[in-house]
Amino acid sequence: KNQVEQSPQSLIILEGKNCTLQCNYTVSPFSNLRWYKQDTGRGPVSLTIMTFSENTKSNGRYTATLDADTKQSSLHITASQLSDSASYICVVRTGGGNKLTFGTGTQLKVEL
Amino acid sequence: NAGVTQTPKFQVLKTGQSMTLQCAQDMNHEYMSWYRQDPGMGLRLIHYSVGAGITDQGEVPNGYNVSRSTTEDFPLRLLSAAPSQTSVYFCASGGSGRETETQYFGPGTRLLVL
Repeated sequence: KNQVEQSPQSLIILEGKNCTLQCNYTVSPFSNLRWYKQDTGRGPVSLTIMTFSENTKSNGRYTATLDADTKQSSLHITASQLSDSASYICVVRTGGGNKLTFGTGTQLKVEL
Repeated sequence: NAGVTQTPKFQVLKTGQSMTLQCAQDMNHEYMSWYRQDPGMGLRLIHYSVGAGITDQGEVPNGYNVSRSTTEDFPLRLLSAAPSQTSVYFCASGGSGRETETQYFGPGTRLLVL
């Protein structure tokens, strides 16, 4: 069964600190992995997408990594800001089709 | 360019009532989909459409109907609401075709069924 597991479930950090969110998946065949940010009361918004051949991709203070061999991805947030408080969702797409498997998300809270 | 819009934002229903959740997009996407989001679970696909006149079931279709008469609109109908349908519903546009195509989500509709 295709699964996407994210850790930690929730995280509280101080403003200005860095953090790393994890995503492990068992989806096969793999097409791509996307990280979404979902603010409270809003829909998810795409941050970055990783394809099989990509190891690292950055979007401002967000850096995603992918290890297709171990089926792991991480999202690193640098110099966190209060506006980074949100749920971060990992989504894996199955190759050759349109099947998306969503993780349950990591709830991040950035405090002063 | 409004992207994906959903109405209403909030709705309270009694068990057995019916209603339609509206979704519209102005990005000319062929692919549209409906998801529900429940606490502790990832988004789950209810129904999707690959173009006007074409719809198909997702992972959790029971109790819901959809239609796609135009490219822009993709309404979701609850036939006879049940408490188990209390959830946040998201409409999404795009995400098919090229496998790296981005999927754009609407702001969501929060539904409470009493």
